[in-house]
Amino acid sequence: DAGITQSPRHKVTETGTPVTLRCHQTENHRYMYWYRQDPGHGLRLIHYSYGVKDTDKGEVSDGYSVSRSKTEDFLLTLESATSSQTSVYFCAISGGQGRNSPLHFGNGTRLTVT
Amino acid sequence: AQTVTQSQPEMSVQEAETVTLSCTYDTSESDYYLFWYKQPPSRQMILVIRQEAYKQQNATENRFSVNFQKAAKSFSLKISDSQLGDAAMYFCAYRSAGNYGGSQGNLIFGKGTKLSVKP
Repeated sequence: DAGITQSPRHKVTETGTPVTLRCHQTENHRYMYWYRQDPGHGLRLIHYSYGVKDTDKGEVSDGYSVSRSKTEDFLLTLESATSSQTSVYFCAISGGQGRNSPLHFGNGTRLTVT
Repeated sequence: AQTVTQSQPEMSVQEAETVTLSCTYDTSESDYYLFWYKQPPSRQMILVIRQEAYKQQNATENRFSVNFQKAAKSFSLKISDSQLGDAAMYFCAYRSAGNYGGSQGNLIFGKGTKLSVKP
């Protein structure tokens, strides 16, 4: 399995509090992605990174920010959590060995905003 | 923009039987990749099979095979000799080959099909 670790595995937080989710990879892959998974929606892209300090928005980026100061770490921050951000969050990485390289996913973080 | 549609929210199959999960997609691109991912109750996303659009031959991985119809923009997954461990959510996904990485390296997912396997 690709070396991807997400932390925490579960988190419960209150509305209005800041939350940071961490994705750590040991594969030295250039590309990293944050998705959220909600029933009836599949997985949707929040933000992605194509290198250190190079990030861009995805389909559902409102209310989220990201940072990538090192190749191995990609952080997702909810500046002020809302109940609509209750979801399962997945980090994914993609290798550079070919255009058909699949994305490999972490085990997800279940976030509950009360 | 590309879209992926899985028209079967739930499917059921008897153990040892064969089941086919449907997936259609919409794109104006000629070069792309298609994937099926499996998500068991553990929540882990597991790659099942991949298909390059430029290849005529359908991909096969052990009991899993696809029926790729490029003109029809259809990419169905066939599971043969179904096992209890195949019970999971299955996601079809599209990836553009036009600009590796970035938003076009992103996977666009369907909403998933929940597969149940009856003993």
